[in-house]
Amino acid sequence: QITLKESGPTLVKPTQNLTLTCTFSWFSLTTIGLGVAWIRQPPGKALEWLALIYWDDDKRYSPSLKRRLTITKATSENLVVLTVTNMDPADTGTYYCARFNGDYEGFYDYWGQGTLVTVSS
Amino acid sequence: SYELTQPPSVSVSPGQTARITCSGDALPKQYAYWYQQKSGQAPGLVIYEDTKRPSGIPERFSGSSSGTTATLTITGAQVEDEADYYCYSTDSSGHHSGVFGGGTKLTVL
Repeated sequence: QITLKESGPTLVKPTQNLTLTCTFSWFSLTTIGLGVAWIRQPPGKALEWLALIYWDDDKRYSPSLKRRLTITKATSENLVVLTVTNMDPADTGTYYCARFNGDYEGFYDYWGQGTLVTVSS
Repeated sequence: SYELTQPPSVSVSPGQTARITCSGDALPKQYAYWYQQKSGQAPGLVIYEDTKRPSGIPERFSGSSSGTTATLTITGAQVEDEADYYCYSTDSSGHHSGVFGGGTKLTVL
């Protein structure tokens, strides 16, 4: 059964960097057409797409957050890491990782449960 | 940056047809995808590539797209369909980044 799980700190201080890890099972990022994305959701607000890493290590970022985001993968360990620099209270929210299935366009067919990150001093 | 626009809310009675729209300039060239998010849960895919329904999604869910507007239709909405619905697409600029619409709260009562 395909699963994804997010892990990382639940509380960070403003200006600190956030590092989140998505650990997944029963698929591999060596498979053509697969990728892992990060999506976040502030409390009571809409989903916001952040970043996507493809099987071939191609990467896509939200234009508005690109300067603060880095996405990497460790294929042999079945994990993807998202780093967000210079965290702000506006970055508070639930962060999801999801499996991408497609090529240039595609869909997210499996999602993690999400992890709530609060930014506060 | 690229945006997808959805109505904030749609309300129908059980058994009625609910239609949720999503507008975006790149939709004539890019597929639309629809995700359902029930309270306290992660989102789940209900429509992909404008019109296709994943296995396990009830037939009452359908999608269409014309010009700059994609539409999710729930024919004979059920109480259990009450949820937030998000459209998703990819911008057609050089960024090739993803974008979600602002979400639509569907109320069925």
